[in-house]
Formats: sequence, structure tokens, C-alpha cells
Amino acid sequence: NAGVIQTPRHKVTGKGQEATLWCEPISGHSAVFWYRQTIVQGLEFLTYFRNQAPIDDSGMPKERFSAQMPNQSHSTLKIQSTQPQDSAVYLCASSLAGSTGQLYFGEGSKLTVL
Amino acid sequence: QQQVRQSPQSLTVWEGGTTVLTCSYEDSTFNYFPWYQQFPGEGPALLISILSVSDKKEDGRFTTFFNKREKKLSLHIIDSQPGDSATYFCAASNYNVLYFGSGTKLTVEP
Repeated sequence: NAGVIQTPRHKVTGKGQEATLWCEPISGHSAVFWYRQTIVQGLEFLTYFRNQAPIDDSGMPKERFSAQMPNQSHSTLKIQSTQPQDSAVYLCASSLAGSTGQLYFGEGSKLTVL
Repeated sequence: QQQVRQSPQSLTVWEGGTTVLTCSYEDSTFNYFPWYQQFPGEGPALLISILSVSDKKEDGRFTTFFNKREKKLSLHIIDSQPGDSATYFCAASNYNVLYFGSGTKLTVEP
């Protein structure tokens, strides 16, 4: 069984460019989470979908970040006008039972903004 | 997003020793508390979890303790092994968002 698949594993963008990160959750999992990991801030919650519907996006920076889940097999995180402070590892996780079940994380997408 | 506070930031123990990691939280609605283990280049993986109705859960060398009154939890690793060297995150949830602590980087020296 494949785990959560995230692409690309590494992405380098110039300041002001757009970055789109992809996540394929484990088949049959109804919940998808996005987190951002940095040395300074640790694991920050960004947003959460259940059955493709957005449930909580309280962690998303309001202006340049957006997330979608157009179907049950993938979710995207888009960052417009990237800034150096957006540099981080972006982690996607899926779960059978929401946040109180085991979250299965992907290996992450490392974004570097020059 | 300082929902969960974790200490220490880093810790070194000798092989065979006992590791103790601690976390605290403020939101009294939190009722699920997992610990995740992360190795470099990988995503975090669930290690052990506890519900607020319990005060202790064991899984092999790993035990988590929960103190509802003090809003604290801890992870104890007995007979620590070099293979346990990783970053450990506590987390808390109230059936909605799962919030993580800042992590503890554990190094077990042989």
C-alpha cells in the first residue's frame, strides 16, 4: 500500500513566483491535513479537509496561501508571490478518522524561496 | 499557534538510560494526545497516543502519562537505544485540529 505521496520533493522558486505543492492521500482516507515545518516554528497547522470539504483553514496565512481538494485523490497547496519566509517543509497527512485518528504523513515538499 | 508547549528542545542520553519528554497545554477541550516520532528526511509517524480518560498508556519501551488536572503529559522511553535518536513531537486535539508541540531532538549515545 502506497503511503501519502507528495510532489515535488524539492522546489526552488524566486521571490515573487508561485509555488504549487501536490498531495495524494492514502486511498480511502477521508481527512487531509497540511502542515508547515520549520526549525523555528516546528509543525504549524495550515488547513484541513474532510471528505474534500474545507473544515478549518485557521492556520493559513490569509493573503497568499490557498488550498484545494478537487477530488478524493489529491489536494494542492498554492503559494502566490512567494517570499523567503515561506521557505519550509510542507507536510501533507491523511487520516481515516480525522484528527483523533492516526495521521499518516508524506515525506514533505521542501520549498526554498531565493 | 502555541497551543502545546514542549520541553526540552534537545536531549542527549546514554544507551540504556531513560528518556523523559514533557508537554503542557492550555485548552481544556483537548482530549486526544498522540506522540509522533520523526527521522530526518521523513514525515512524522505515530508512536503512541492517549485519551484524556486515561492517565497512562504503555507500548513496549514507550509509556505516556497524562495529568488532566495539571494539563501536562509526558513520554518515557526506557532502555533508550541509538535507533531511538529522532525528533519527538507531542500533540493535542479536540476532534478538530491536531496541534503539535515544537519538538524534542533526542540523541542516544552508544
